[in-house]
Amino acid sequence: NAGVTQTPKFQVLKTGQSMTLQCAQDMNHEYMSWYRQDPGMGLRLIHYSVGAGITDQGEVPNGYNVSRSTTEDFPLRLLSAAPSQTSVYFCASSSGNTIYFGEGSWLTVV
Amino acid sequence: GESVGLHLPTLSVQEGDNSIINCAYSNSASDYFIWYKQESGKGPQFIIDIRSNMDKRQGQRVTVLLNKTVKHLSLQIAATQPGDSAVYFCAEIASGTYKYIFGTGTRLKVLA
Repeated sequence: NAGVTQTPKFQVLKTGQSMTLQCAQDMNHEYMSWYRQDPGMGLRLIHYSVGAGITDQGEVPNGYNVSRSTTEDFPLRLLSAAPSQTSVYFCASSSGNTIYFGEGSWLTVV
Repeated sequence: GESVGLHLPTLSVQEGDNSIINCAYSNSASDYFIWYKQESGKGPQFIIDIRSNMDKRQGQRVTVLLNKTVKHLSLQIAATQPGDSAVYFCAEIASGTYKYIFGTGTRLKVLA
């Protein structure tokens, strides 16, 4: 059972570089989301989608873009990486109340 | 504002003892609550959930209690094992909204 799959697991970027974190789910969930997790701050919502073609901003969307061309995929793009974006990123999906998370992507911006 | 919080940031228990992790919530509209376990270097893993029309729900070695009167949620782990060492956090949601609110977490340390 794959569930929610994120890639890459680890990434180091230089300030100003762009990159895309990939996320795929095989549970046919309508809702997908991206969170960042920083020490002592819990999970903060970056962007979310309630279905293909629909995206919306969360609590901390600045510096990130998303798209939802298919039900399965929800990539997160960092447009111009900044040290403040050093964090652990989690993709998640849900079809009802229970939300399921990927294993995380550790991103360091130097 | 609306928030989900945990009373104890770190909980140390002896192996074999029972653990109790607490959570307070403030959104009266929340009607579904989830406990997650997050091991170091991994994503949050679903443990158990409970709906607001229930006071108690049991799983394998875990029990969740919900007290709506004081807006309090707890996770009880029976016979705590070394593999239970992790960060535990609660989440709340009002059904149909997809607006999850997560706590910051409590670290459970199991002492041998």
